[in-house]
Amino acid sequence: AQSVAQPEDQVNVAEGNPLTVKCTYSVSGNPYLFWYVQYPNRGLQFLLKYITGDNLVKGSYGFEAEFNKSQTSFHLKKPSALVSDSALYFCAVKGGSSNTGKLIFGQGTTLQVKP
Amino acid sequence: KAGVTQTPRYLIKTRGQQVTLSCSPISGHRSVSWYQQTPGQGLQFLFEYFSETQRNKGNFPGRFSGRQFSNSRSEMNVSTLELGDSALYLCASRDERVLMNTEAFFGQGTRLTVV
Repeated sequence: AQSVAQPEDQVNVAEGNPLTVKCTYSVSGNPYLFWYVQYPNRGLQFLLKYITGDNLVKGSYGFEAEFNKSQTSFHLKKPSALVSDSALYFCAVKGGSSNTGKLIFGQGTTLQVKP
Repeated sequence: KAGVTQTPRYLIKTRGQQVTLSCSPISGHRSVSWYQQTPGQGLQFLFEYFSETQRNKGNFPGRFSGRQFSNSRSEMNVSTLELGDSALYLCASRDERVLMNTEAFFGQGTRLTVV
């Protein structure tokens, strides 16, 4: 069965420093992987996805993610964090057959960027 | 292009009542999925509809149901509400016209409180 793990409940980083939010996955077959961000009392905003191709994926707001097949990881990164990046981040994998929109989410990681 | 629209944004219901939530997908998107978000269980998949047919269903009791109309708008219904149904209910739509368009776009959610 497909699953996603985000090992850190919270990540703290100073503004201007690089940030990493970790995600590992377990799927049968080729993974379709996603990162979403959620601000308080809001829905989820799509940041980026990995389907195939380059292991380094670039997304919205300066975020990127590195796909590592051997480590089954898909860590979210940003070279220089902003206070406004503080939010809840979710990693997700497409579940089931290719003909489905079902997403399986990790538990989420709260990112706190301090000035 | 308008995003995914969910109505109402907030709802307070009494135990035992039923509730209907509405979701209008992005124009042209025919896949609509529903998720329940709670602090304890995180984001859980409820069901997915495509072209008025339920294509996928999560592990929720039969009190949770949904449907999709010919214009792709979707509704979900929860009957005999329980306190544990209090949650943020999120709707997401997806464009399947292009194979690589696998990402889902989420609405702002409906915050349901059962008292």
